[in-house]
Amino acid sequence: KAGVTQTPRYLIKTRGQQVTLSCSPISGHRSVSWYQQTPGQGLQFLFEYFSETQRNKGNFPGRFSGRQFSNSRSEMNVSTLELGDSALYLCASSRGANEKLFFGSGTQLSVL
Amino acid sequence: ELKVEQNPLFLSMQEGKNYTIYCNYSTTSDRLYWYRQDPGKSLESLFVLLSNGAVKQEGRLMASLDTKARLSTLHITAAVHDLSATYFCAVDMERRDDKIIFGKGTRLHILP
Repeated sequence: KAGVTQTPRYLIKTRGQQVTLSCSPISGHRSVSWYQQTPGQGLQFLFEYFSETQRNKGNFPGRFSGRQFSNSRSEMNVSTLELGDSALYLCASSRGANEKLFFGSGTQLSVL
Repeated sequence: ELKVEQNPLFLSMQEGKNYTIYCNYSTTSDRLYWYRQDPGKSLESLFVLLSNGAVKQEGRLMASLDTKARLSTLHITAAVHDLSATYFCAVDMERRDDKIIFGKGTRLHILP
């Protein structure tokens, strides 16, 4: 059974650009959540989607957005990139609430 | 302000010894998670604890939850080198927008 797939694995952008990251969950998983990990702030929750609906959103500015498609695949978008957006972005999927999360390998974003 | 505090943040221990990592949180929680992260890798889910008194064990790791004390513990029995990693606890509050708050992580180094 394939795991959670995140693409791309690495990304380099410049300030002001926008970026879209993709996450394909494990087959049958309807819940997808996103996290940001940085050395300074640690792990922070971005948002969670279930059946194409955003259920929760973390304390991030509106430049961070996401969506989920009918096949449960999810994308997150960051517009007007800032240096501080450099981070490892992790996606996780699960069958639903109270279930274990399965994480992808992450996308390492560097903003220059 | 919601806080999730782990201690210790760094732990170096000998193989064969027992130790406990503590996770304190400052408000009512719906569920608590423990994760493991190896250097340069993604997160691996270890345990999901859903109710007061919950105890889960897998191999040399055992996690417990005391919701009244707002405390979870991750106990390591007879540590082996392969358990060297960073361990995170995370508190999940379904009714809040920021939903999941992570501790800063405990970097565990087990000496052979």
